[in-house]
Amino acid sequence: QVTLKESGPVLVKPTETLTLTCTVSGFSLSNARMGVSWIRQPPGKALEWLAHIFSNDEKSYSTSLKSRLTISKDTSKSQVVLTMTNMDPVDTATYYCARTTYTYYYYYMDVWGKGTTVTVSS
Amino acid sequence: EIVLTQSPGTLSLSPGERATLSCRASQSVSSSYLAWYQQKPGQAPRLLIYGASSRATGIPDRFSGSGSGTDFTLTISRLEPEDFAVYYCQQYGSTSVTFGQGTRLEIK
Repeated sequence: QVTLKESGPVLVKPTETLTLTCTVSGFSLSNARMGVSWIRQPPGKALEWLAHIFSNDEKSYSTSLKSRLTISKDTSKSQVVLTMTNMDPVDTATYYCARTTYTYYYYYMDVWGKGTTVTVSS
Repeated sequence: EIVLTQSPGTLSLSPGERATLSCRASQSVSSSYLAWYQQKPGQAPRLLIYGASSRATGIPDRFSGSGSGTDFTLTISRLEPEDFAVYYCQQYGSTSVTFGQGTRLEIK
């Protein structure tokens, strides 16, 4: 059974750096054409893709947030880490990680974690 | 960056009716890289359709996807009570991913 679980702080202060960890099970981060994406959702709003990383260490970032994001993985620990610098109250959201399949033919996120809610407030 | 615009914003229908949800892209999208997700309150999104028209594992055949280029459609042939939710389209292109703003499907 494939599962993903997000973990990290519930509350961060403005200007701080957020570090989120996605721990996966049921598949390996070294599986070809498979990786993990981070997506967030502010309360009552739409989904927003943040970044993805694949088994070959290929990374991509949201154009609007690229300067603030870093994604990395530790295959031996089955973990993907996302850091977001200079947090602001508008970054308050539920943050999801999702298994992502990328082949020549398809790109999709087929298994999602339950999400972790992060509030930015002083 | 490709912008996805979903319409309508809210769709009010009754169980048993047919639902047609639209996703329009600001520039051409590869059909291979267009997906649809369903999200219910308090839950993570669930993959419904990938490659514009392929159903994900376990998705009932009342859900179907179609389209190409800039216009894509998710159709639910006969609505069941559990289908009332928010639906998002998503595309991947030029190493970037975007989601639409969602269509809320509510019970009439």
